[in-house]
Amino acid sequence: DQQVKQNSPSLSVQEGRISILNCDYTNSMFDYFLWYKKYPAEGPTFLISISSIKDKNEDGRFTVFLNKSAKHLSLHIVPSQPGDSAVYFCAASGSGYGNKLVFGAGTILRVKS
Amino acid sequence: DAGVTQSPTHLIKTRGQQVTLRCSPKSGHDTVSWYQQALGQGPQFIFQYYEEEERQRGNFPDRFSGHQFPNYSSELNVNALLLGDSALYLCASSLKGGKETQYFGPGTRLLVL
Repeated sequence: DQQVKQNSPSLSVQEGRISILNCDYTNSMFDYFLWYKKYPAEGPTFLISISSIKDKNEDGRFTVFLNKSAKHLSLHIVPSQPGDSAVYFCAASGSGYGNKLVFGAGTILRVKS
Repeated sequence: DAGVTQSPTHLIKTRGQQVTLRCSPKSGHDTVSWYQQALGQGPQFIFQYYEEEERQRGNFPDRFSGHQFPNYSSELNVNALLLGDSALYLCASSLKGGKETQYFGPGTRLLVL
């Protein structure tokens, strides 16, 4: 039972354009959401997070949007850079950012120069 | 400021053997979580240690056990290894018993033959 789904296995974007990565969840008990980026041979790197009391959180080029009624969140990267090419994981928790995280399967982002 | 470190980086074992993986948390962190990432999937939560006790556990058999030491470092032990245990094992650390964001180490790649 996949509680967190990233339905796009891969995404290709031109440098300078917007990248939009999507994530859906089924468990209404989730109230903390995070995005991690992972390069090959490295561990996941924390990018940005949002709690269910907000619908948007911004950090530089990265913005996360949360639509609780649709149980959907998205990560926007503007402008996209070649160094953003990596696997992006969406994760959710029902009891705090630091507790058990449920991850999606990831989306491979390729930013073409 | 040292991040999360894990050892060894790679390991090859045969079925039925036992393995111990090690993790040192980020400086100042007191909580350690372990995840298993199979090829092509997102990380799956194994368990979390805080104050030297297992606080949360995911859907993994008793063959998976752990320990946290007074200096907050942690070990993951897997007994009676199966081929399906081949994966990347990730350690993540956080503060305050899991209330804060988790930061991941580079992982240990385990291959069971």
